[in-house]
Amino acid sequence: GDSVTQMEGPVTLSEEAFLTINCTYTATGYPSLFWYVQYPGEGLQLLLKATKADDKGSNKGFEATYRKETTSFHLEKGSVQVSDSAVYFCALSDPFIGGNQFYFGTGTSLTVIP
Amino acid sequence: GAVVSQHPSRVICKSGTSVKIECRSLDFQATTMFWYRQFPKQSLMLMATSNEGSKATYEQGVEKDKFLINHASLTLSTLTVTSAHPEDSSFYICSAYRDTGSDEQYFGPGTRLTVT
Repeated sequence: GDSVTQMEGPVTLSEEAFLTINCTYTATGYPSLFWYVQYPGEGLQLLLKATKADDKGSNKGFEATYRKETTSFHLEKGSVQVSDSAVYFCALSDPFIGGNQFYFGTGTSLTVIP
Repeated sequence: GAVVSQHPSRVICKSGTSVKIECRSLDFQATTMFWYRQFPKQSLMLMATSNEGSKATYEQGVEKDKFLINHASLTLSTLTVTSAHPEDSSFYICSAYRDTGSDEQYFGPGTRLTVT
């Protein structure tokens, strides 16, 4: 079945450091891929998405490229800020499966220290 | 943008009582809503898919008689935790699917349930 494997955390970085959070997936069809962010005590917010191979999603300095050949969707940011501290979830939606169901990774907690 | 609200944001109840959580899509109609449960420092676990006007579809291992879901309108789904126990304490998150051709889901802010 479909699944998402995400880099385990927690990750602690200094401000302005480079961030990479790895995400790989398995899917029956051609899924759409997402990164969601969850700030403490809040629900999930869509950070970025890509719907087909080689698409790059970007938002707030974060980027992720849909790599079909490596079944990956790694999240990157060139210079993190303290306000980026949150939990990040990689997810996929597979239209082949139907039902609009999302599959989430386990989440990666990021702490950015000044 | 699409907004999904949840009410209440936090609830504390005694063991044996029932609690209802509401999920509303504020500016769009949602034929499908999802209910998730999140344990501390873990990912979201899909509990059930709520379809307007029909019975919810529950994931394996989720007790449908304990977690009652009602999707009475295109903007409202409710989750009722019946005869709650301390092990039901968790963070419950709903999401709504907006049928615009995009497969994006919009998430509510979550409800923290504590059963004493």
